Amino acid sequence: ETGVTQSPTHLIKTRGQQVTLRCSSQSGHNTVSWYQQALGQGPQFIFQYYREEENGRGNFPPRFSGLQFPNYSSELNVNALELDDSALYLCASSSSGTSVYEQYFGPGTRLTVT
Amino acid sequence: AQSVSQHNHHVILSEAASLELGCNYSYGGTVNLFWYVQYPGQHLQLLLKYFSGDPLVKGIKGFEAEFIKSKFSFNLRKPSVQWSDTAEYFCAVNAGAAGNKLTFGGGTRVLVKP
Repeated sequence: ETGVTQSPTHLIKTRGQQVTLRCSSQSGHNTVSWYQQALGQGPQFIFQYYREEENGRGNFPPRFSGLQFPNYSSELNVNALELDDSALYLCASSSSGTSVYEQYFGPGTRLTVT
Repeated sequence: AQSVSQHNHHVILSEAASLELGCNYSYGGTVNLFWYVQYPGQHLQLLLKYFSGDPLVKGIKGFEAEFIKSKFSFNLRKPSVQWSDTAEYFCAVNAGAAGNKLTFGGGTRVLVKP
């Protein structure tokens, strides 16, 4: 069974730029959630995708957007990067068929905005 | 909005000592409760979960947690810690009305001295 994978591992961007982060869900999982973990804090829910549509969103501005593909992989896009966007971005997958609320996390992408 | 509080930010203890980490949440309805652990350099892993039934749940690596509904608490315990338990521990809550979103506490860093 393949776990959740994310790419890239690390990324450095300049303020105002745009970034795309990628996530492949665990085998058999059809739901992907994205979280932002700032240094020294717990993860914060950004949004979730199910059946290629956004299925819930946290308190993040519209410049945070996402996609889910037919193979259940997902992208997180952030436009007009700000310094405060520097964080670890976590992807978690789950299955609507079994334990919906049990999420499995990937290793994360460390984004640094300078 | 639901919130999760973890009372201790840092805990330092010696091997064989007992560990208890506090977690309180604010939500009056049905909740699903989780403890995740993040070992140094590794991704978030599920330690244990509570959905319903016996309020005392056992997880991996000798950890257990007790759900006390009247206190809105879900404290994590381990009778005798090992050096390998050095990690950051996160309590998370999924409230029924919030869909599949997890709300995390701020985390507790645990350092076990050999």
